[in-house]
Amino acid sequence: EAQVTQNPRYLITVTGKKLTVTCSQNMNHEYMSWYRQDPGLGLRQIYYSMNVEVTDKGDVPEGYKVSRKEKRNFPLILESPSPNQTSLYFCATQASGDYEQYFGPGTRLTVT
Amino acid sequence: RKEVEQDPGPFNVPEGATVAFNCTYSNSASQSFFWYRQDCRKEPKLLMSVYSSGNEDGRFTAQLNRASQYISLLIRDSKLSDSATYLCVVNEGGSYIPTFGRGTSLIVHP
Repeated sequence: EAQVTQNPRYLITVTGKKLTVTCSQNMNHEYMSWYRQDPGLGLRQIYYSMNVEVTDKGDVPEGYKVSRKEKRNFPLILESPSPNQTSLYFCATQASGDYEQYFGPGTRLTVT
Repeated sequence: RKEVEQDPGPFNVPEGATVAFNCTYSNSASQSFFWYRQDCRKEPKLLMSVYSSGNEDGRFTAQLNRASQYISLLIRDSKLSDSATYLCVVNEGGSYIPTFGRGTSLIVHP
């Protein structure tokens, strides 16, 4: 079954405590990206990756890092989370030559 | 800056009604257009692509108007299960990086 998985699904943490949200896909897609979704603001792209070792900033990259060491994984790293990073985060994948995006189930992050 | 604008709604309609959403885009180089559906607190999922000639999938019809730079989604015979947020998505020509609208909320009531 084609899948995009994210872990954890829910996380409550405190300001400044480093965290990583994992994203994994089994569809061999080249393109992966991270979004955050906030009420009234819609989906905003944080980072994207066109392939292994190729990453680039999206619209709201401040406070986030990513890495793409393997094709299937694209973790999102918050080195020092702050309350304004409280949000719903989605990972998405896309095959080269196709425009359809497949989203993971989302990670709801609360930073206190 | 690329902009994709949608009326956030909510559109509150009775079962069986016909409802239409529009989405405008600012980048004339946009080439690919889509509607995604997002249920509350769930991930977005592709509803349908929007082709230049328009396309229909059951009760759903999508249209593109390049001259006026908007796309539309028409839902006929609304069902309770159509209640969701509908996201307009636009890709610039040759780019895999999409621009999402903020979504239009639809509530279908009995």
